[in-house]
Amino acid sequence: DVKVTQSSRYLVKRTGEKVFLECVQDMDHENMFWYRQDPGLGLRLIYFSYDVKMKEKGDIPEGYSVSREKKERFSLILESASTNQTSMYLCASSLGGTGGYEQYFGPGTRLTVT
Amino acid sequence: GQQVMQIPQYQHVQEGEDFTTYCNSSTTLSNIQWYKQRPGGHPVFLIQLVKSGEVKKQKRLTFQFGEAKKNSSLHITATQTTDVGTYFCAGRNTGTASKLTFGTGTRLQVTL
Repeated sequence: DVKVTQSSRYLVKRTGEKVFLECVQDMDHENMFWYRQDPGLGLRLIYFSYDVKMKEKGDIPEGYSVSREKKERFSLILESASTNQTSMYLCASSLGGTGGYEQYFGPGTRLTVT
Repeated sequence: GQQVMQIPQYQHVQEGEDFTTYCNSSTTLSNIQWYKQRPGGHPVFLIQLVKSGEVKKQKRLTFQFGEAKKNSSLHITATQTTDVGTYFCAGRNTGTASKLTFGTGTRLQVTL
């Protein structure tokens, strides 16, 4: 079974703090994704990576950065957390290529910025 | 950019009733996927549709992809309490092999 793990289920941070969200997958997937989920808005793509050290902006990259130094690990960084970044953050992974493969999601991190 | 809308946003049915959620894209899609998220859980892949007009069934669930590949639907026959959750469609544009645009989701509540 594909397993995608996220470093924390719940996180509380203060405005202005630098926040790191970690995601690890164990299926040697090429693609990894970070989404945020807000009520009524569905899942919105922040960044994705299709290879080590490669990244592409999603639909809402402002205020976020990412790092992928190893194939299995994809980190989301909030350089200076703000209250409007309070949300559920979901990491996902999938096989690469043009096949349009399903995405496997981690359990999510509920981040509260106070 | 691409937008994917789903209706309704929420539906409450009694067990045994049917349920349908509709997904509409602002652009033509190369394929569409459906996911289910149980309360407190994470999205789990259900199915992918690729061909224009395609219909696929999984037990009581029927998925359709529109002829123009801009809309899709999920129909559940005779809902059960185990169907409770939020259903998301996710569309993929031609040329963006990896990137999915998720719909806004339909939350289904089923009561006895």
